[in-house]
Amino acid sequence: ELKVEQNPLFLSMQEGKNYTIYCNYSTTSDRLYWYRQDPGKSLESLFVLLSNGAVKQEGRLMASLDTKARLSTLHITAAVHDLSATYFCAVNFGNEKLTFGTGTRLTIIP
Amino acid sequence: NAGVTQTPKFQVLKTGQSMTLQCAQDMNHEYMSWYRQDPGMGLRLIHYSVGAGITDQGEVPNGYNVSRSTTEDFPLRLLSAAPSQTSVYFCASSRGGPAYNEQFFGPGTRLTVL
Repeated sequence: ELKVEQNPLFLSMQEGKNYTIYCNYSTTSDRLYWYRQDPGKSLESLFVLLSNGAVKQEGRLMASLDTKARLSTLHITAAVHDLSATYFCAVNFGNEKLTFGTGTRLTIIP
Repeated sequence: NAGVTQTPKFQVLKTGQSMTLQCAQDMNHEYMSWYRQDPGMGLRLIHYSVGAGITDQGEVPNGYNVSRSTTEDFPLRLLSAAPSQTSVYFCASSRGGPAYNEQFFGPGTRLTVL
């Protein structure tokens, strides 16, 4: 079965702290996407990770992909309130479909 | 470019009614897809299309029909609405399939079935 699991599902963190969101998937893939969704809004593409060892950074967010461990991480550095949102990873398993994780709702507390 | 557009933004239906959710894109993308988003379940693929005239089922296709007569449009039809179809529906498009291309999402349609 093609599954994508994220943890944690909910995360409250203080401004200025660091944290990591994890995305595990069930079988071989080297195509992984991270999206951000603000409440009541659509999904915004953050990162596309296309190979083992890929690392991408944008501002306070950094994403990496380890295809051997079937794991991607989204690391948040020195969190600020504007990063409060729900973050989704999505995996392509070599077909014409994307399978999404359940999302991580991140709340940054002042 | 308007990107991916969806209409309506909100819709309330009674059980048994039918309706069509519209999706259009102006980026000449070959690949289009429909997802539903339910609390705690992420996004689940309903149907997708790799080009005009070609459609296929996703993870949760029952109760929905699609067609793709043009590159630009990919409507989603609810044949006989049920309360279980209450959800937020997103349309997405990309140049090719998700193996190599990031998808761009529309603003969503919030559907309530009473």
